[in-house]
Amino acid sequence: GEDVEQSLFLSVREGDSSVINCTYTDSSSTYLYWYKQEPGAGLQLLTYIFSNMDMKQDQRLTVLLNKKDKHLSLRIADTQTGDSAIYFCADFYNKLIFGAGTRLAVHP
Amino acid sequence: KAGVTQTPRYLIKTRGQQVTLSCSPISGHRSVSWYQQTPGQGLQFLFEYFSETQRNKGNFPGRFSGRQFSNSRSEMNVSTLELGDSALYLCASSPGRLNTEAFFGQGTRLTVV
Repeated sequence: GEDVEQSLFLSVREGDSSVINCTYTDSSSTYLYWYKQEPGAGLQLLTYIFSNMDMKQDQRLTVLLNKKDKHLSLRIADTQTGDSAIYFCADFYNKLIFGAGTRLAVHP
Repeated sequence: KAGVTQTPRYLIKTRGQQVTLSCSPISGHRSVSWYQQTPGQGLQFLFEYFSETQRNKGNFPGRFSGRQFSNSRSEMNVSTLELGDSALYLCASSPGRLNTEAFFGQGTRLTVV
């Protein structure tokens, strides 16, 4: 069945770049998404990429997609303390399939 | 433009009771999907409604049901509550089916005691 996997934790220093990785199994995926969840809140759509694209940039966010390896990454440039949250990768065909989430901790 | 509104934000129910959660999508959006989030199972798809019809369903027991009204507002119902139903229930709103952008509400935190 469909599966999305992410590493569970990432710790970075403020001002550095963060890279969160994700792998997925469903070759029928049409779109791949990154969502952010802060404590006690719902999911905030950060960005998404169409499955026939390799890269998408949106301000401090860069998404890279390697379709051959079914690997997706989210790079956050100049990471700030406000970026501390859980980041979910999701793929979409008929529904969103989420990874377990990567907890990003930003320290001074 | 108002976002996705879920009510109530918090609920405490007793085992065996039933509960109804509500979701008002973004104005003009016609697709509403529901997800359950728990620490153990993560985010899991419950069902999707579009034009008042259930279009897709996840692997949940029949105790979980939903509906959508002509104004696109959706409700989900859980009958005969179990302790394991304690979760954050999230609703996602999209302009149409198979659409690129799914926007989530703040969720309803259900606690079953």
